[in-house]
Amino acid sequence: DIQMAQSPSSLSASVGDRVTITCRASQSISRALNWYQQKPGKAPRLLIFIASNLQSGVPSRFRGSGSGTDFTLTITSLQPEDSATYYCQQSYSIPTFGGGTKVEI
Amino acid sequence: EVLLVESGGGLVQPGGSLRLSCAASGFIFSDQYMDWVRQAPGKGLEWVGRIRTQPKGHSTDYAASVKGRFTISRDDSKKSLYLQIRSLKIEDTAVYYCVRATSDGDWLDPWGQGTLVTVSS
Repeated sequence: DIQMAQSPSSLSASVGDRVTITCRASQSISRALNWYQQKPGKAPRLLIFIASNLQSGVPSRFRGSGSGTDFTLTITSLQPEDSATYYCQQSYSIPTFGGGTKVEI
Repeated sequence: EVLLVESGGGLVQPGGSLRLSCAASGFIFSDQYMDWVRQAPGKGLEWVGRIRTQPKGHSTDYAASVKGRFTISRDDSKKSLYLQIRSLKIEDTAVYYCVRATSDGDWLDPWGQGTLVTVSS
């Protein structure tokens, strides 16, 4: 199985900050990488698909980049409602998730 | 509106069995791969398994942790997805999510609200 290493595991930032979360695959996955947001008590929500494509309805402050083994989710200007846990997931082979990054405001 | 609604969760004793269901609406169910993903209390997301479409023979894949104990099936005529869980273990305690996996499994969207399975004596 492809392992996904996500970092940091948690972070604290202020409203308006630029926040970056990274995800590293144990082997090249091309651009087969998705990002999800999960708020407490809720189901995950797709944010970014195929590394950099913004899902419909997701604010443009969320940006995804990367290819191969290294990927990044950037929140360009952190908002209070962005407090959540973020997960990366590879779809190159049998799906696997990163361990998650808890973002606190 | 695309909607996935799980049911069937509950409290089960270790070694027991359970069948989870997921009712889909708002999209052509038969055209989409469907997955189950679970989340143990306070933990991250764990992919459980996938069932593909009829042209792919309704083939299935499972995580190593559940292979042999979990069985995914679907009834396209009823727009329903199922997860049969046998020989339940304490560590199977989790919220189980039904998820649409697109026509090729490229991404997971949307997710159902989840159903809680608690394995305890």
